[in-house]
Amino acid sequence: AQSVAQPEDQVNVAEGNPLTVKCTYSVSGNPYLFWYVQYPNRGLQFLLKYITGDNLVKGSYGFEAEFNKSQTSFHLKKPSALVSDSALYFCAVRDEGWGKLQFGAGTQVVVTP
Amino acid sequence: DGGITQSPKYLFRKEGQNVTLSCEQNLNHDAMYWYRQDPGQGLRLIYYSQIVNDFQKGDIAEGYSVSREKKESFPLTVTSAQKNPTAFYLCASSMVSGRALGHEQFFGPGTRLTVL
Repeated sequence: AQSVAQPEDQVNVAEGNPLTVKCTYSVSGNPYLFWYVQYPNRGLQFLLKYITGDNLVKGSYGFEAEFNKSQTSFHLKKPSALVSDSALYFCAVRDEGWGKLQFGAGTQVVVTP
Repeated sequence: DGGITQSPKYLFRKEGQNVTLSCEQNLNHDAMYWYRQDPGQGLRLIYYSQIVNDFQKGDIAEGYSVSREKKESFPLTVTSAQKNPTAFYLCASSMVSGRALGHEQFFGPGTRLTVL
């Protein structure tokens, strides 16, 4: 069975500082990993994904994520956070042999001016 | 949210009533999904469909029903059997479900259902 964990309910960061949102996963085969962002009362927006290839994946709005197979992690990063990055972030995983996407519980990011 | 529409945005239901949530996509995607979102619990899969006239139960299908008569449409009915239906409902679609290809899912703007 596949699973994903986001160990932090909330991350607080000052504007201009680096932002990291953590995600670890468990799958039986090779993982397909995704990050999404959700603003209040809105649907989820796709940020980036890892399927294969380079471990560092670049996505929308200046976000990037690093796939670490030995640590089964896929942490989301942004070098310099903006107040507008304040939102709910979801990590998701899919085993390559199974179509369902498993979501983490989400991490609320709060960026203060 | 582009390409997937959900209606209504807000829906109020009395206990004992069935309600239907609409989801339409113009992305020519094969697969469509319904999720339920509750605070602190992430997204939970209700039903999904990989092809017209076929659908499968997700993790929390009890009290819900769906149909997939057209590729573009995947309506969700919340029946009176669903004991705690108040939640935010999200519809999504993707190019391929099942094996391989790693296509991301695209989400609609959601419907907030409240039981009075």
